Formats: sequence, structure tokens, C-alpha cells
Amino acid sequence: DAEITQSPRHKITETGRQVTLACHQTWNHNNMFWYRQDLGHGLRLIHYSYGVQDTNKGEVSDGYSVSRSNTEDLPLTLESAASSQTSVYFCASSESAVVGTDTQYFGPGTRLTVL
Amino acid sequence: GNSVTQMEGPVTLSEEAFLTINCTYTATGYPSLFWYVQYPGEGLQLLLKATKADDKGSNKGFEATYRKETTSFHLEKGSVQVSDSAVYFCALLRTSGSRLTFGEGTQLTVNP
Repeated sequence: DAEITQSPRHKITETGRQVTLACHQTWNHNNMFWYRQDLGHGLRLIHYSYGVQDTNKGEVSDGYSVSRSNTEDLPLTLESAASSQTSVYFCASSESAVVGTDTQYFGPGTRLTVL
Repeated sequence: GNSVTQMEGPVTLSEEAFLTINCTYTATGYPSLFWYVQYPGEGLQLLLKATKADDKGSNKGFEATYRKETTSFHLEKGSVQVSDSAVYFCALLRTSGSRLTFGEGTQLTVNP
């Protein structure tokens, strides 16, 4: 069965370190997204990609970057981790067959703690 | 801009009670509307969706009707179970592009 996976599931790091969170999907979807989930804020979009070599900033992109070198993967990098980036991170993917109706499928999440 | 507002939580009900979680939205054009559910320790799963006005989405006993006149997409279930305990998110998808805008989420706890 097709799926979307994230690794690691839990990560503890220190302020100032670079951290990369992996996202891998086997749906062959063109669209991929990164969100962070914080109490009182729901899910907020960090970055997204509509295809290979395409990346776009979301509403909370400062301090994060992504790259899309193939269809299956969209790694999220925190350039210099800050305590404010302690959160649960979700990756999602969707087809682009019919823009405006496509369903997003979510990974299980990565819980990141920055000390 | 686009926004989604959900009723404040948390919501606590007894088993077999009727559930309503309110959701209203602000958007230009005619967005698609979604309800996602997040069980403890898991990612979000699509519960139901509606892509145009007056459409009713339904799944697992849950229903929601896309009301353009009131810009609402309220989630209902006639008889909740303990297994329905989860966080429920209302979301909209713009007609241009593929980005979702989420509400804050509503924590539902169902007691036996």
C-alpha cells in the first residue's frame, strides 16, 4: 500500500544545531507540504512543493528550508534550531489532478524538542 | 485572506450523545471544505469533504453540509462512541493552488 513516512519520529536537539526531518511518500504525488502543529494554532504551513525542483514558502517559513530533488522526498531543514521551533511537524502529500479538490494525506508526525 | 474558525473546545460528551462541532470560514471564491481527525499520537486522517455548495460529506456516521449562505461546515454525529475521542480539524482548500487552511482544532472526549 502507498504511504507517507516521516523520520525520526522523535528528536531532541540543542539550540543552534542544524536539523533535518525526512518525509518520504510512495503515492507518487506531485504536491508535498510541511506543517507544524502547536497548541492554540492548529496546523500552520511551513513550505510546500508542487513538483521536482519547485519549492514555495508558507506562512511560517522563517528559519526553515526545503529542497525537492525527486518526487518521493521533501526533507525539511532547520538551519539553526531555536526553542521556538519546538513543535510537532507533519508532512503531507496530494495529487494535483484536480486543483482545488485534492485530498491531502498526512504522515505520522515528528516531535521535535529544541533545548 | 482565507480563514477557518472552529468552536472553542475541549468538548466532553457521554457515549451515545449527539455531537455538533461548529466551523465557519472566510474565503474568496468557492473553496472545498474538509474535516480531518487526529487520534492520539497519530497524524491527521481525512474524515469527510465537500467540494461545492449544498454538498453533504459523510463517513463513519459523521456528516457535514457545505452551507454557502452561512459560510459554515458544521460536523455532526447522532451517537458518539468512546472511540470517537480525538481532535477534529476543519479546513478549506482554495480553488487556486493546493494549500489547506486549518482551524485550531477541537478536542473531543467521549466518556463511557
